[in-house]
Order: sequence, then C-alpha cells, then structure tokens
Amino acid sequence: AQSVTQLDSHVSVSEGTPVLLRCNYSSSYSPSLFWYVQHPNKGLQLLLKYTSAATLVKGINGFEAEFKKSETSFHLTKPSAHMSDAAEYFCVVSVFTSGTYKYIFGTGTRLKVLA
Amino acid sequence: SAVISQKPSRDICQRGTSLTIQCQVDSQVTMMFWYRQQPGQSLTLIATANQGSEATYESGFVIDKFPISRPNLTFSTLTVSNMSPEDSSIYLCSERVPMNTEAFFGQGTRLTVV
Repeated sequence: AQSVTQLDSHVSVSEGTPVLLRCNYSSSYSPSLFWYVQHPNKGLQLLLKYTSAATLVKGINGFEAEFKKSETSFHLTKPSAHMSDAAEYFCVVSVFTSGTYKYIFGTGTRLKVLA
Repeated sequence: SAVISQKPSRDICQRGTSLTIQCQVDSQVTMMFWYRQQPGQSLTLIATANQGSEATYESGFVIDKFPISRPNLTFSTLTVSNMSPEDSSIYLCSERVPMNTEAFFGQGTRLTVV
C-alpha cells in the first residue's frame, strides 16, 4: 500500500539557516509526490511536485526536493529560511485506485523560524 | 492553477444541526474531493464528488452523515449532518484537472460545534 511518513512533527530553524523537512514514501510503483504548505488560517498551496521527470524538483519560494528511489525519500529543502516560511508542510503521495487518483497525506511538519 | 471558492469560511453551530458547505471552481473539472482536517492533524479524504452520480465515500464516512451533491462540473456541496463537537474540523474542497496529477484546494471551512 502507498503511504508517506513525515519523520518530524516539528522543526525549528533560525532565520537564514537551511531548512530540511523529511519525507519517506512507500509505493509499489513509481509514485507522484508533492509538497504542500499550509499557513495559519489559509488553504493549502502546492510547493512542488515530482512526476517521474527530473529527480531534483524546484518549487516556489526557493524550496526544492530531491526524489531518491534508493532511499524512498522526498525531502524538502531550502538554503535559507525566512520568517514567512513558518507554516505546516505536508508531504503527499498520489495513488491510482478505484479508477481515480487520490491523495494520501503525511501527518505534517510544523516549521518554526526563529528570529 | 484553478481558483476554488469555498463558503462559509467559518461557522459556529449548535450540536444536532446541519451545515452545508459550498465549493465553486472557476473551470470545469472532472474530479472534486472533500477532505476533513481535525484539529492539529493531517487531511483525511471524506469522499470523491462525482458529477451526476452519487459520491464515492472513503472508509469511515457515510452518506447519511456527509451527504454530497455535485449538480455540475464547477460546483459541489458537502453537508455535515446532525453535528456533534467531534465534527469540529476544517473541511476542504479540492479539485484535480483530468490528465493532471496536482490538486488544488479551497481555503477551507473552519467548523466549530458547540
């Protein structure tokens, strides 16, 4: 069965330092993977997606993620954190079941950015 | 990306009552989905809203509790029926364009049942 595991429920970084949010996936075939961000009292915004093209995926706001099949990982990184990056981040795998694509969400990682 | 309008954005309701949440998409899409996000938790798929037919519910969710309508390709409603405090959550509408893998989400409806 397909699933995603976000290894950290909370991550704190200082402003200007690198961000690493970890995600491991489980899939019986080549998956489609996504990172979404949810700011307080706002909807979900797509940061980036992997769909079996380039393994290093660049997204919005300076975020990127690398698909590593050997490690079944899709970690999200950013070289330098900004205060506005403080939010909840969800790793998502898309699975094809019952004739349609469905999303399976990770449990989320809350990113805190310290001044 | 699609623009998804969801309303109400928030509501406080009495237990035993029902609330209908509306979701409007700015383009015709095939797949629309409803999710629940309980406080401090991740998103769980409630059902897939199918145009012109009954919604397809996930395990643990039933039509009597969460009736869904989808009268056309751009609009859907989710009703939370006979509410209890355990229904206090954020409910989100989502859509996916055919042949595309990414989905877009509405702003969510924050429901508090007292």
